[in-house]
Amino acid sequence: DSGVTQTPKHLITATGQRVTLRCSPRSGDLSVYWYQQSLDQGLQFLIQYYNGEERAKGNILERFSAQQFPDLHSELNLSSLELGDSALYFCASSPQSDYGYTFGSGTRLTVV
Amino acid sequence: KNEVEQSPQNLTAQEGEFITINCSYSVGISALHWLQQHPGGGIVSLFMLSSGKKKHGRLIATINIQEKHSSLHITASHPRDSAVYICAVSQYGGATNKLIFGTGTLLAVQP
Repeated sequence: DSGVTQTPKHLITATGQRVTLRCSPRSGDLSVYWYQQSLDQGLQFLIQYYNGEERAKGNILERFSAQQFPDLHSELNLSSLELGDSALYFCASSPQSDYGYTFGSGTRLTVV
Repeated sequence: KNEVEQSPQNLTAQEGEFITINCSYSVGISALHWLQQHPGGGIVSLFMLSSGKKKHGRLIATINIQEKHSSLHITASHPRDSAVYICAVSQYGGATNKLIFGTGTLLAVQP
């Protein structure tokens, strides 16, 4: 167990639907990052939150949104799902003090 | 051209061999990470480097900041080392430590 918890591990849903992925960071880590791993694009940065505030945005679609709650857990919301959204979604956390990263085990999303 | 390049893309080795995976980057960095991912699995952070060399068990990672190059070495390779190894960098400056990833090296160690 890395200390970063992602749920669910697997998700199968239909096109057009909306899903929520959840991430609990390692204890004490204030930053949460979301990454997407697809076969054609590899690993890509989506968005970062730091202590409840959005810190940076990457290649995140307008259909996707995220937030970080006061207890520091984060949720990634994916809506109007398309077949191309099928991917592994990773959450990672890092402390304020250095650049260390801890990854969660990922959520495998399959859109059918 | 990708900001982080890895070579080779695929590597097959015999058990016991010494393995080297290379990573070159074109941006200023605050840290370089070596990550391991088993097929269908999660990502494990192996090393974080900003200078010099680190060793953990049979794994050694080095970085040359001037040449913008890092290597990951595996000594006495074992079939359980079979995985994808990913180089990633945190770009220097700015407000985020987001990672920029290489495309990964798929390593297969045969018994």
